[in-house]
Amino acid sequence: EVQLVESGGGLVQPGRSLRLSCAASGFTFDDYAMHWVRQAPGKGLEWVSGISWNSGSTGYADSVKGRFTISRDNAKNSLYLQMNTLRAEDTALYYCAKGLNYDFFDAFAIWGQGTMVTVSS
Amino acid sequence: QLVLTQSPSASASLGASVKLTCTLSSGHSNYAIAWHQQQPEKGPRYLMKLNSDGSHRKGDGIPDRFSGSSSGAERYLTISSLQSEDEADYYCQTWGTGIHVFGTGTKVTVL
Repeated sequence: EVQLVESGGGLVQPGRSLRLSCAASGFTFDDYAMHWVRQAPGKGLEWVSGISWNSGSTGYADSVKGRFTISRDNAKNSLYLQMNTLRAEDTALYYCAKGLNYDFFDAFAIWGQGTMVTVSS
Repeated sequence: QLVLTQSPSASASLGASVKLTCTLSSGHSNYAIAWHQQQPEKGPRYLMKLNSDGSHRKGDGIPDRFSGSSSGAERYLTISSLQSEDEADYYCQTWGTGIHVFGTGTKVTVL
């Protein structure tokens, strides 16, 4: 069964850092691009960042550029999101998503259940 | 600027059909999109990738009553024989110029 399990969320103060992880199973991880998508409470989906199969290409939403860093470890079937200088507006449920194939520019085919990040003093 | 426009809500009776629209911004009418469903209190689920020519690739296990079509800059999702579990938010997604974009979502109510 294809599965994505996010972890690392929690309550953090503004200006601090947090690292999210996504453990993948049930598919050949290094064959696919991966992404992070977030959803603020009561709001819609917002793409945060993505990474190609071999980490050769990465992309970020303007709202997180320079503060967040996406990475992956294909040997560990894991995706990460390092979030620095967190702001209240980063409060959201963060989803890990698997791309349809290796290409960074394609649909998201599998979603995790999300991990909640709350930024508050 | 790459933008997707969706109506905020749609409704239809149990067993009827509903057609949702996702409109691509000017200059992007040949872009493919994807449709995702988000049931209440759940994570999103991929429904299909829909190309500009109307061809589409569904996700595993997606029922036949979900279908996609295209016309110009508009991409459609039709849900036939509406079931109670189809009551959900539906988002379209596209990609290009280094980014991914979601529409604001359409909330479908089954009457």
